[in-house]
Amino acid sequence: DVKVTQSSRYLVKRTGEKVFLECVQDMDHENMFWYRQDPGLGLRLIYFSYDVKMKEKGDIPEGYSVSREKKERFSLILESASTNQTSMYLCASSPPGSGLGLGTDTQYFGPGTRLTVL
Amino acid sequence: RKEVEQDPGPFNVPEGATVAFNCTYSNSASQSFFWYRQDCRKEPKLLMSVYSSGNEDGRFTAQLNRASQYISLLIRDSKLSDSATYLCVVNEENTDKLIFGTGTRLQVFP
Repeated sequence: DVKVTQSSRYLVKRTGEKVFLECVQDMDHENMFWYRQDPGLGLRLIYFSYDVKMKEKGDIPEGYSVSREKKERFSLILESASTNQTSMYLCASSPPGSGLGLGTDTQYFGPGTRLTVL
Repeated sequence: RKEVEQDPGPFNVPEGATVAFNCTYSNSASQSFFWYRQDCRKEPKLLMSVYSSGNEDGRFTAQLNRASQYISLLIRDSKLSDSATYLCVVNEENTDKLIFGTGTRLQVFP
């Protein structure tokens, strides 16, 4: 069975703190993604990685960085947490698409981390 | 214009009803289409992929109209357990990234 795990379900941090969110998948997937989800805005892509040590910015990368040192692990880092980063953070993974413009595979999500920044 | 648009609802229907959700997408080059289900405070989970010929999975039927850039989901004989938010999802052209709609909320009542 497909499994994506995230290090915390709930996290409370203070403004200015450095925050690490960890995600691990056991499906040997090449692609990993970090999203945030806010009411009325849906899922927004922060960063994604298509291979170890490779990363690409998503739609809202400002204030975030990522690290992918091993294939199964993708970390999201908030360098200096701010109150507007209070959100639900979701990690996902997927196998690579066909690369021929023929579409991509579905993504599998972790349970999410609800982060509150005070 | 949003890349994937859905009616946010909520759709409030009685048990046993048939309900349909629609979704439009802006990029005609998209090749992969999905419906995800998301329960309150949980992660999105794949409900079904959507194929050009249309496909059915039990009480759920998905249709794709490429000419109109339109995707639909039909739920027959609604159950209380179908209450959730349904996300329409398409891929971004030539990438492995997915674009998610903001979701349509369904509430099935007894």
